[in-house]
Amino acid sequence: QLQLQESGPGVVKPSDTLSLTCTVSGGSVSSTSHYWAWIRQPPGKGLEHIGYVLYSGSTYYSPSLRGRVTISVDTSKNDFSLQLSSVTAADTAVYLCARQQSREKYGTIWYGGYFDFWGPGAQVTVSS
Amino acid sequence: QSALTQPASVSGSPGQAIIISCTGSSTDVGNYNLVSWYQQHPGKAPKVIIYEATKRPSGVSVRFSGFKSGNRASLTISGLQAEDEADYYCCSYAGGSTYVFGTGTKVTVL
Repeated sequence: QLQLQESGPGVVKPSDTLSLTCTVSGGSVSSTSHYWAWIRQPPGKGLEHIGYVLYSGSTYYSPSLRGRVTISVDTSKNDFSLQLSSVTAADTAVYLCARQQSREKYGTIWYGGYFDFWGPGAQVTVSS
Repeated sequence: QSALTQPASVSGSPGQAIIISCTGSSTDVGNYNLVSWYQQHPGKAPKVIIYEATKRPSGVSVRFSGFKSGNRASLTISGLQAEDEADYYCCSYAGGSTYVFGTGTKVTVL
């Protein structure tokens, strides 16, 4: 069974860079059928897709965070990481890593594109 | 890209059926069948219960069903049980590798 686990500092100072790693077990980040995603959930609020990375290192970032976010993959360690720079209190959230099924289109029908395995989440608080 | 619109809360008695709506636009829900639904219990990670608008992952109860028409998707929970009390989120592909989540719905079992 695939398992994901986030790790990293629970407190980050304003204007610093938030760094988290998601370690994958029971599966491989080198899979060609999956993306590796980060999602966050501010306290009492909904989910926000931050972006994802493929095994090749190709990335996608949400337009709202583009310019501050970097997601990378380390196939030798079987993990992937999130860096978010210039953080403010608005970046306080539970950060979740997830496996995302790749999207495929056959004719007019799309397949995939959902998050099927998640880590338990890591609380990150931005505070001085 | 704006969040998809869901009712803030829906409630029902045990055994009843409830429906949670998810309203988007022609650039997301209306343009792709890549709508998924997630159940999240307090302090837990979300769990996918519907994908590709109508499909159920292996192991998910048949009491959960999904539907999509136009810019609107919906999740029906039949035979409501106490364990269904949770937050529910829809999610849609919106093109250009973008994914947008719904505002979330709190389901209460009376």
